[in-house]
Amino acid sequence: QVQLVESGGGVVQPGKSLRLSCAASGFAFNNYGMHWVRQAPGKGLEWVAVIWYDGSNKFYADSVKGRFTISRDNFKNTLFLQMNSLRAEDTAVYYCASGGSGGYHFNYWGQGTLVTVSS
Amino acid sequence: EIVLTQSPGTLSLSPGERATLSCRASQSVSSSYLAWYQKKPGQAPRLLIYDASSRATGIPDRFSGSGSGTDFTLTISRLEPEDFAVYYCQQYASSPPHLYTFGQGTRLEIK
Repeated sequence: QVQLVESGGGVVQPGKSLRLSCAASGFAFNNYGMHWVRQAPGKGLEWVAVIWYDGSNKFYADSVKGRFTISRDNFKNTLFLQMNSLRAEDTAVYYCASGGSGGYHFNYWGQGTLVTVSS
Repeated sequence: EIVLTQSPGTLSLSPGERATLSCRASQSVSSSYLAWYQKKPGQAPRLLIYDASSRATGIPDRFSGSGSGTDFTLTISRLEPEDFAVYYCQQYASSPPHLYTFGQGTRLEIK
């Protein structure tokens, strides 16, 4: 079955960096766009970034543009999120999600990894 | 940017009752671009409905989606205890930067 397993979360000081990973299995990873979506404590879901199936295009939410970078390794079936210049408002559970057919929705989700930005 | 507004914010119902959740868009949304998710505390979100009315794999038929243009609805015909959760609608916009946006959610709680 489809599995998405995030890792790399933790506590980090404002202004520092963190790199999240998402290991995928159970589906043809290199055929699908992949996303990061986050949920801040007590808040709703917020889309963060998408990378196309072949890595040729990447798009970001305004709130993270210029600070976060999404990437993927299709040989290792792994998705990444490099987060730089972290702010307190980046504190959230970060989920990786696979794009559905057509890329208009999020088909499968991981369990999430918590990122806490605090001094 | 297309803003999705969900109503009500909280819906209090009993098991066996019918739930009707609304999602209104600030501009017209293609039906192909509207999805619904269920979110429980400590769990990953789960895709319920895509293309406004297509059930995702493994989703019971008591869940149904409808609507077009700016008004969309998620209906749960007979609530089961496991259905009490937060529900989000989500849309896709073909032009960056606001490619994917979610509504603020509707909390479905046991009465």
